[in-house]
Amino acid sequence: ETGVTQTPRHLVMGMTNKKSLKCEQHLGHNAMYWYKQSAKKPLELMFVYNFKEQTENNSVPSRFSPECPNSSHLFLHLHTLQPEDSALYLCASSQGARYGYTFGSGTRLTVV
Amino acid sequence: AQSVAQPEDQVNVAEGNPLTVKCTYSVSGNPYLFWYVQYPNRGLQFLLKYITGDNLVKGSYGFEAEFNKSQTSFHLKKPSALVSDSALYFCAVRPYNNNDMRFGAGTRLTVKP
Repeated sequence: ETGVTQTPRHLVMGMTNKKSLKCEQHLGHNAMYWYKQSAKKPLELMFVYNFKEQTENNSVPSRFSPECPNSSHLFLHLHTLQPEDSALYLCASSQGARYGYTFGSGTRLTVV
Repeated sequence: AQSVAQPEDQVNVAEGNPLTVKCTYSVSGNPYLFWYVQYPNRGLQFLLKYITGDNLVKGSYGFEAEFNKSQTSFHLKKPSALVSDSALYFCAVRPYNNNDMRFGAGTRLTVKP
């Protein structure tokens, strides 16, 4: 375990469903991130939170909605997704520019 | 804005041979450079980083990387590859003054027995 926990590990959802991905860290890090990893594509930064405030939204469609209720938890709310949204969604946390990211194991999402 | 290039999608080496995975970067100011490894269906795991100081950085599992400022490169190396090193490797760069890390597209390393 890395200290960043993502649930669920796998998720299959229909295009009309609403679901949420959860990320939790108790490392004392002040920044949290959502990344999308699709086959044969670079990692795509989706959202950045610093001290619970969203500092970046990388042109992500509104069917993805992040929430950061406190510095330890990060959610990604999903609704009316498309099949092309199927991917591995990775959460990461960091304590500053000099430090690397700590990643969770990801949620493998399949939209049917 | 910063960017990272990993020019090889795939690197194949024989077990016991040295390996190199290439990375070049572009960033304003002093860079912080990182290597990560990803095994199937897992998140990225930190291998090593360059912040300042000695250009040769040693990391986990016998990996090392050399920071070359003039060539803006940060190649990952290992003197003797293991089959268990087979994985996807990502180079990343982060400016010293913000939290925004950019990743390369990844290089798939295959070590054959």
